[in-house]
Amino acid sequence: DAGVIQSPRHEVTEMGQEVTLRCKPISGHNSLFWYRQTMMRGLELLIYFNNNVPIDDSGMPEDRFSAKMPNASFSTLKIQPSEPRDSAVYFCASSFPSGGRDEQFFGPGTRLTVL
Amino acid sequence: AQSVTQLGSHVSVSEGALVLLRCNYSSSVPPYLFWYVQYPNQGLQLLLKYTSAATLVKGINGFEAEFKKSETSFHLTKPSAHMSDAAEYFCAVSGAGSYQLTFGKGTKLSVIP
Repeated sequence: DAGVIQSPRHEVTEMGQEVTLRCKPISGHNSLFWYRQTMMRGLELLIYFNNNVPIDDSGMPEDRFSAKMPNASFSTLKIQPSEPRDSAVYFCASSFPSGGRDEQFFGPGTRLTVL
Repeated sequence: AQSVTQLGSHVSVSEGALVLLRCNYSSSVPPYLFWYVQYPNQGLQLLLKYTSAATLVKGINGFEAEFKKSETSFHLTKPSAHMSDAAEYFCAVSGAGSYQLTFGKGTKLSVIP
């Protein structure tokens, strides 16, 4: 199994530009999570999908952030317009949930730098 | 509501010494508990998990953790540190019926030769 795949691994952009991060979950997993990791705030859950439907987006910082999951094998996280404070590592994780006891499998992350 | 407290953002041990990373949790429902490891420039990888079976849980790379309900703790230990154990370690809690993992702030482990 290839694990969770994220692209790009690194993204450097200028303030105001649109950024799109991509994720392919593990085949057969029906839950997908987007996290953001910063030194100041640690790991934060941004949004959770179950069976391609967004269930909880309360962690999305503001309207500049949006996420989609058009099918079971692909999800995107978009930031438009980007700001320097969005600089962070963004992780995608997937799981096949069984009432909270299943672990989440994390991708390698996308390191975003907004200049 | 669930929360996790990891005591010590940075722990240093000598190679061959005992590793002890502390985790205390708060949960309004019976918890499921996890330890993840993150190596530099990589994603998080599961070390071990507690899901209400045996209270002493063995994981990969010689790590183990003991669930102590009376102390609301789930400390991670390894008898003898190896240089390759240098990484950041995260404790996380979930609850029955919950999809959400709540992570601690992480503890960075350094191993001194």
